[in-house]
Amino acid sequence: DTGVSQNPRHKITKRGQNVTFRCDPISEHNRLYWYRQTLGQGPEFLTYFQNEAQLEKSRLLSDRFSAERPKGSFSTLEIQRTEQGDSAMYLCASSPRGTGGPDTQYFGPGTRLTVL
Amino acid sequence: AQTVTQSQPEMSVQEAETVTLSCTYDTSENNYYLFWYKQPPSRQMILVIRQEAYKQQNATENRFSVNFQKAAKSFSLKISDSQLGDTAMYFCAFLPGNGQNFVFGPGTRLSVLP
Repeated sequence: DTGVSQNPRHKITKRGQNVTFRCDPISEHNRLYWYRQTLGQGPEFLTYFQNEAQLEKSRLLSDRFSAERPKGSFSTLEIQRTEQGDSAMYLCASSPRGTGGPDTQYFGPGTRLTVL
Repeated sequence: AQTVTQSQPEMSVQEAETVTLSCTYDTSENNYYLFWYKQPPSRQMILVIRQEAYKQQNATENRFSVNFQKAAKSFSLKISDSQLGDTAMYFCAFLPGNGQNFVFGPGTRLSVLP
């Protein structure tokens, strides 16, 4: 068990550029989550996958954001035409499917995005 | 919509002492779960403790315990025998019983002083 990994750890981009982040969940975890965390705040839910199906999306996920999990393993989060307000830490988490009640979400180290 | 409030932006405690972090939440649901997560400086978030709303008994994990008051919608975290490694941001989080959408509070920055 190597934990949830995220790449890159840091990304600096210019306004208007597209960026893509990758999340590798703990193997055999079939649930995967994306969150955004701005400085001094708690994480905000963006979206959730069960296997390859995207089951829930927050209203925070504007049409410039898209997330995929094509084979039910790793996931990517793409932000198109980045804006300075997109600057944040993007966290990924995964959890196994439990038989009842929620399972613990295991978080990755995050990707810190800075939009200049 | 659910909201989670943590009224203490920052707290400090002497090593070996006990500290209590506050959390209140607002929901109309009866079935839900509550969590405390810890985020050490420059490190990833890890689960500290969780509580099912249908359970009356307060959860305990070693030096960490909660005081869950369902009627008051309060969920405080008590850390006993504080250690330097407890220095971190602590987030209270709410999860509805039928969803996967965590709602986190703004966090409390805890510093354990030697």
